[in-house]
Amino acid sequence: DGGITQSPKYLFRKEGQNVTLSCEQNLNHDAMYWYRQDPGQGLRLIYYSQIVNDFQKGDIAEGYSVSREKKESFPLTVTSAQKNPTAFYLCASSIDRGRGGYTFGSGTRLTVV
Amino acid sequence: GQQVMQIPQYQHVQEGEDFTTYCNSSTTLSNIQWYKQRPGGHPVFLIQLVKSGEVKKQKRLTFQFGEAKKNSSLHITATQTTDVGTYFCAGTYIKNTDKLIFGTGTRLQVFP
Repeated sequence: DGGITQSPKYLFRKEGQNVTLSCEQNLNHDAMYWYRQDPGQGLRLIYYSQIVNDFQKGDIAEGYSVSREKKESFPLTVTSAQKNPTAFYLCASSIDRGRGGYTFGSGTRLTVV
Repeated sequence: GQQVMQIPQYQHVQEGEDFTTYCNSSTTLSNIQWYKQRPGGHPVFLIQLVKSGEVKKQKRLTFQFGEAKKNSSLHITATQTTDVGTYFCAGTYIKNTDKLIFGTGTRLQVFP
């Protein structure tokens, strides 16, 4: 079955550490996205990529970095510069620049301890 | 920045009652999409509206896109306990259709 796999499901990080969240899709979608969701709030766009080796900042990119070396993969690194990293991180992909809807992964819940 | 506002934030209904959530943008949207997120889950795409004044139905769900393409609504007739979750609208803007901006969401609780 095609879909998006995010790992790990739960992640604990010490303050000052960088951590990388994995996102893999086998849907053959060109576009991939990272969103952050805080409790009781909507989704805010961190980074997005419409094509391999290219990506753009979203609305809250500070303290995050991404890479898009392969069509299937779009990992997100939460750096120590991110002041408030505890959140639910959702990866999504779409065909044709989002027309027809996004497919989301099951998310990674990151907690800073 | 561009924002999509949604009301109400919460709605509690008795099973069998109707439910409506409203989505508003200060800027004209290129299209609007609706998603449902079950508690502890991830958003699942429901539908996309593109044309001014468009109305689409999915069983008990009715989706509308305003004439000015600045607002949208989702109406659920005769709610069931399986409708529980948070409903998000999400829109793209004409100047940048690559970015999907999500509304704040409406959390629906249905009591049996």
